[in-house]
Amino acid sequence: AQSVTQPDIHITVSEGASLELRCNYSYGATPYLFWYVQSPGQGLQLLLKYFSGDTLVQGIKGFEAEFKRSQSSFNLRKPSVHWSDAAEYFCAYGGSQGNLIFGKGTKLSVKP
Amino acid sequence: ETGVTQSPTHLIKTRGQQVTLRCSSQSGHNTVSWYQQALGQGPQFIFQYYREEENGRGNFPPRFSGLQFPNYSSELNVNALELDDSALYLCATRTSGSAGTQYFGPGTRLTVL
Repeated sequence: AQSVTQPDIHITVSEGASLELRCNYSYGATPYLFWYVQSPGQGLQLLLKYFSGDTLVQGIKGFEAEFKRSQSSFNLRKPSVHWSDAAEYFCAYGGSQGNLIFGKGTKLSVKP
Repeated sequence: ETGVTQSPTHLIKTRGQQVTLRCSSQSGHNTVSWYQQALGQGPQFIFQYYREEENGRGNFPPRFSGLQFPNYSSELNVNALELDDSALYLCATRTSGSAGTQYFGPGTRLTVL
């Protein structure tokens, strides 16, 4: 079955430090991959997506992600974290029904 | 901000009752999906509608049902509510095609007592 794994439940970084959130998926030769962010009590906002082509994709708010087929990974990165980045981050895989299969999320806390 | 809206924002029901949640689609989006997000979990796919027909379903029982209207707005109905149905319910709309990006509404927080 298709699945998405986010190994880190909670990460704390200092403001201004770099960030990498991990995501692994279990299935698919040419996956559609997404990163969404969710602020407390809110819906999901799309940060970036990968469909094909360049394996390094740029998103909003200074985020980027790199697709690595050999590692079945799609890790999210940001060079310098801002306090407003504190939120929950979800990696998702495009399922065969056009649905999204989500990981369990990684909660990001930012220290001043 | 997406153009997807959901109502109500919050809802409290008791076990055994029925509930209807509503979603209005972003302009031009003809496909709507519903997701259930339990506390501390990622969203789980409930079902999807395209042109008023259900064309995809996750692992949810038949007491979860839906409708899509000609203007692409949608309803999620849940019968015989159980305590475990307490969750944030999210709708997402997109254009047709499996690669279409989904845009989420703010969600409806359902509490079942």
